[in-house]
Amino acid sequence: AQRVTQPEKLLSVFKGAPVELKCNYSYSGSPELFWYVQYSRQRLQLLLRHISRESIKGFTADLNKGETSFHLKKPFAQEEDSAMYYCALSEAAGNKLTFGGGTRVLVKP
Amino acid sequence: NAGVTQTPKFRVLKTGQSMTLLCAQDMNHEYMYWYRQDPGMGLRLIHYSVGEGTTAKGEVPDGYNVSRLKKQNFLLGLESAAPSQTSVYFCASSRPDRVDNQPQHFGDGTRLSIL
Repeated sequence: AQRVTQPEKLLSVFKGAPVELKCNYSYSGSPELFWYVQYSRQRLQLLLRHISRESIKGFTADLNKGETSFHLKKPFAQEEDSAMYYCALSEAAGNKLTFGGGTRVLVKP
Repeated sequence: NAGVTQTPKFRVLKTGQSMTLLCAQDMNHEYMYWYRQDPGMGLRLIHYSVGEGTTAKGEVPDGYNVSRLKKQNFLLGLESAAPSQTSVYFCASSRPDRVDNQPQHFGDGTRLSIL
């Protein structure tokens, strides 16, 4: 069975500092990996997916199949990045997602 | 375009009471899902549906039932509510292929407290 692990429950950084959210997964096939974000009082929304290879709001994430990781990075954190971040794995788009436990990011001024 | 709409937004129940959470989507999505969100545990899949008239169990189905009588609606029922079911419930929907840029669309959530 697939499993997604986010080892940090809380990350607190100062504005302008780099931030990296760790995500490790276990899955025997070829997964599709996502990062979802939930801002305060808003619905969960997709931040990025590994097949897009995009940079969204300054965030990037690279799939490392050797290390089975999909860490999320941003070089200069902003206060508006404070939110709950979830790493998720899917066997295929449109299929059910397996979520990690989430990491709360707090960016201090 | 409302996307995914969940009703109610909040509810307080007493142990043993029953209730139904409604999820409606207007995107003509085939797949629909119910998750519960608990601190430190992320979102866990309760039940899901790959089409009208079909449902399947997810990771934590016990104590819940679902129905998908219409394509646009996915109902989550608690027959006899227990305090352990206090949680925030999220509904989501998606298309069954890789074309959509946002695989799952989520609702705003339903905050349910069982006393």
